[in-house]
Amino acid sequence: ETGVTQTPRHLVMGMTNKKSLKCEQHLGHNAMYWYKQSAKKPLELMFVYSLEERVENNSVPSRFSPECPNSSHLFLHLHTLQPEDSALYLCASSHRGPYNEQFFGPGTRLTVL
Amino acid sequence: QKEVEQNSGPLSVPEGAIASLNCTYSDRGSQSFFWYRQYSGKSPELIMSIYSNGDKEDGRFTAQLNKASQYVSLLIRDSQPSDSATYLCAVMDSNYQLIWGAGTKLIIKP
Repeated sequence: ETGVTQTPRHLVMGMTNKKSLKCEQHLGHNAMYWYKQSAKKPLELMFVYSLEERVENNSVPSRFSPECPNSSHLFLHLHTLQPEDSALYLCASSHRGPYNEQFFGPGTRLTVL
Repeated sequence: QKEVEQNSGPLSVPEGAIASLNCTYSDRGSQSFFWYRQYSGKSPELIMSIYSNGDKEDGRFTAQLNKASQYVSLLIRDSQPSDSATYLCAVMDSNYQLIWGAGTKLIIKP
């Protein structure tokens, strides 16, 4: 595996389900990110982890719960989601710093019924 | 509120012509600027990064930065149908977070 991988690529879940998204980076980076991308809107930064510590949480509802067990893995745990949470969820990684270039995984297309 | 503005398009350009994409930003202290390409249904892919005023060239792509006017642009020479995509401008703030524009949809007509 190279770059940034995400699983699953597609997910359909009901509002009462619990599911998790997984991200793994093979680039030796020390920062990882979760973004939400909805149609016609800019990318929304959800969470940032640097050296496995959360450094940013942009007022994301508590039904989204991140976990970063080490610098290569990032999870997003989902529970009791709403239909408006349907979107493309993107994971990215970078070296933390002023010139960091973020590299994205392929994303998970989430549909909440 | 830090903002990055892009014309949503679509911008239609004939094959072989130069495509010019523009982006303005509000945070005068920004130091790092990025262009990403995103094909429909795919994730963003980094094309160019630029940190200093002036031009930076990479193949058919040229990024231009003017910090005094707070704009950054991307020129695509000899446009190909495969360049048809949405182009995202991203600007780094003082917390090392990227502020994203909504993107410009580019269509290259054969």
